[in-house]
Amino acid sequence: GEDVEQSLFLSVREGDSSVINCTYTDSSSTYLYWYKQEPGAGLQLLTYIFSNMDMKQDQRLTVLLNKKDKHLSLRIADTQTGDSAIYFCAERAGANNLFFGTGTRLTVIP
Amino acid sequence: NAGVTQTPKFQVLKTGQSMTLQCAQDMNHEYMSWYRQDPGMGLRLIHYSVGAGITDQGEVPNGYNVSRSTTEDFPLRLLSAAPSQTSVYFCASSFGQESQPQHFGDGTRLSIL
Repeated sequence: GEDVEQSLFLSVREGDSSVINCTYTDSSSTYLYWYKQEPGAGLQLLTYIFSNMDMKQDQRLTVLLNKKDKHLSLRIADTQTGDSAIYFCAERAGANNLFFGTGTRLTVIP
Repeated sequence: NAGVTQTPKFQVLKTGQSMTLQCAQDMNHEYMSWYRQDPGMGLRLIHYSVGAGITDQGEVPNGYNVSRSTTEDFPLRLLSAAPSQTSVYFCASSFGQESQPQHFGDGTRLSIL
């Protein structure tokens, strides 16, 4: 399968910005996604970006895509304790398959 | 609107037993899939279906069977459970076009002893 990589852990203080990074290998990826997983729950879609875009902003979330470097990031402004979760990036390679990173566990320190 | 519903939420099996994980969606989605989530490995695609009567293998299909007799249901069968199949299983669905994100169920936590 495709190789999608993320760092495993990130800790930030409440009120600071969080930046979660992701790299992928398939240059033909059309859509890239960010999902959030809270303990004991499924994956909740946060946002996604089409591969011909550089940036997408949605309230406190900003997605940046560097297609040349195959690098995707998710910035969460004014991080709150409720943002503590595991964040997965995923790339869509073809119509049917999503390839996920290992997930980044975000811990927000009060 | 229930979305994607998975049952059971938890299950413990003995090695060699069989069982079926159920998945149902009420959004008339064409595309359904099964993933397993293991620590440090993200989600890996087991099987998927692009519509009723059509299934295909994903990244890690061995030891699992699926069928898609209706649009709504996509059960995952373990014919002879092995400890390596201890995992959290997620079902997902979408309209199938590349622009449409997948909706996930809450997962089934399966332990094989």
